[in-house]
Amino acid sequence: EDKVVQSPLSLVVHEGDTVTLNCSYEVTNFRSLLWYKQEKKAPTFLFMLTSSGIEKKSGRLSSILDKKELFSILNITATQTGDSAIYLCAVRGGSNYKLTFGKGTLLTVNP
Amino acid sequence: SAVISQKPSRDICQRGTSLTIQCQVDSQVTMMFWYRQQPGQSLTLIATANQGSEATYESGFVIDKFPISRPNLTFSTLTVSNMSPEDSSIYLCSVVRNSGQRETQYFGPGTRLLVL
Repeated sequence: EDKVVQSPLSLVVHEGDTVTLNCSYEVTNFRSLLWYKQEKKAPTFLFMLTSSGIEKKSGRLSSILDKKELFSILNITATQTGDSAIYLCAVRGGSNYKLTFGKGTLLTVNP
Repeated sequence: SAVISQKPSRDICQRGTSLTIQCQVDSQVTMMFWYRQQPGQSLTLIATANQGSEATYESGFVIDKFPISRPNLTFSTLTVSNMSPEDSSIYLCSVVRNSGQRETQYFGPGTRLLVL
């Protein structure tokens, strides 16, 4: 059974800090790893990574995938209060489109 | 990206009743899914909504409890039947949109359900 473990489960920082969120996984026939930001109900898509060592960047957010060690990290630099949310990591494997999610990291950015 | 709408956005229901949630997508999609997020938990796939055939359910979910319709490539419904307080969750519609070789997955705004 596919498995995704995120750490830490929660994190409190001050505005301007840099944070690193971790995601380790076990999946059969890995296809992709996705990061989402969940503020209220709907997860908002951030990144999809398929190849090891590829760093995705979008403004202050970046993500790296290591397929050999089976983990990914999400970095947020110069954090803002608007970054406060649950960050979800999910993996897709096998021949279907099922996503297996981790429990998420609750990030709180204080002013 | 994909524009996905869900109705209702939230509801409070009595035990033993049923609720049907609607999901509308702005353009045709092949793959459409229903997820559940129980309080304090992460998202769990309920089923894949197949157009023109019966939905494909994940382990632990059955058609009698969660009947799904998919009449066309832009619309689906999920019914939560004979509800109990354990069904209190956020229910999310999700679609896969292909862009070249990328299969990005998007989520609707969710339906927050409270069963008393």
